[in-house]
Amino acid sequence: NAGVTQTPKFQVLKTGQSMTLQCAQDMNHEYMSWYRQDPGMGLRLIHYSVGAGITDQGEVPNGYNVSRSTTEDFPLRLLSAAPSQTSVYFCASSEGQGTDTQYFGPGTRLTVL
Amino acid sequence: DAKTTQPNSMESNEEEPVHLPCNHSTISGTDYIHWYRQLPSQGPEYVIHGLTSNVNNRMASLAIAEDRKSSTLILHRATLRDAAVYYCIRPFGNEKLTFGTGTRLTIIP
Repeated sequence: NAGVTQTPKFQVLKTGQSMTLQCAQDMNHEYMSWYRQDPGMGLRLIHYSVGAGITDQGEVPNGYNVSRSTTEDFPLRLLSAAPSQTSVYFCASSEGQGTDTQYFGPGTRLTVL
Repeated sequence: DAKTTQPNSMESNEEEPVHLPCNHSTISGTDYIHWYRQLPSQGPEYVIHGLTSNVNNRMASLAIAEDRKSSTLILHRATLRDAAVYYCIRPFGNEKLTFGTGTRLTIIP
């Protein structure tokens, strides 16, 4: 199993550009989530999904969209990038609830100029 | 309040035990305590979790106070590879784990 994979590993955007961060898992997990981690900070939950077709907002959802059309994939879309979205983004999955053991991807480091 | 309280940083000598404390005074009776760690430039990884009694696995032990208002993660013999940020986490609802800033553990050779 590859576990949780994220692409790209690094990305530089200009203010106002849009892009999609990809996340996939091959463990047939129902629960998936996106976090952002700013320098020297903990992780903050952006959006999460408890299964295909179901998504909900976390602590910091503004400026981001998600969808969950399949169990495997959970892309995160930045609609109009802003410098405040410069961060490292982590995707995670777990078998059932979000309180089950979560498996994290390696992260995407995003810089918005 | 779904937050926990941990020291910002700790140091320990290599090959000695490490005790990482966490306060969670408002935890409910059915919430598990979870510990994750984040090695440099990596995503967090699961360490251990527990509800009431002490728990052990190959990575660490978790000692939970009788009143459940605090817990301690125990690394029995720290190595340089254990240098990481350790997060003590309690659930926020059924679908969420909330990460604070954690404890940065430095291992001294």
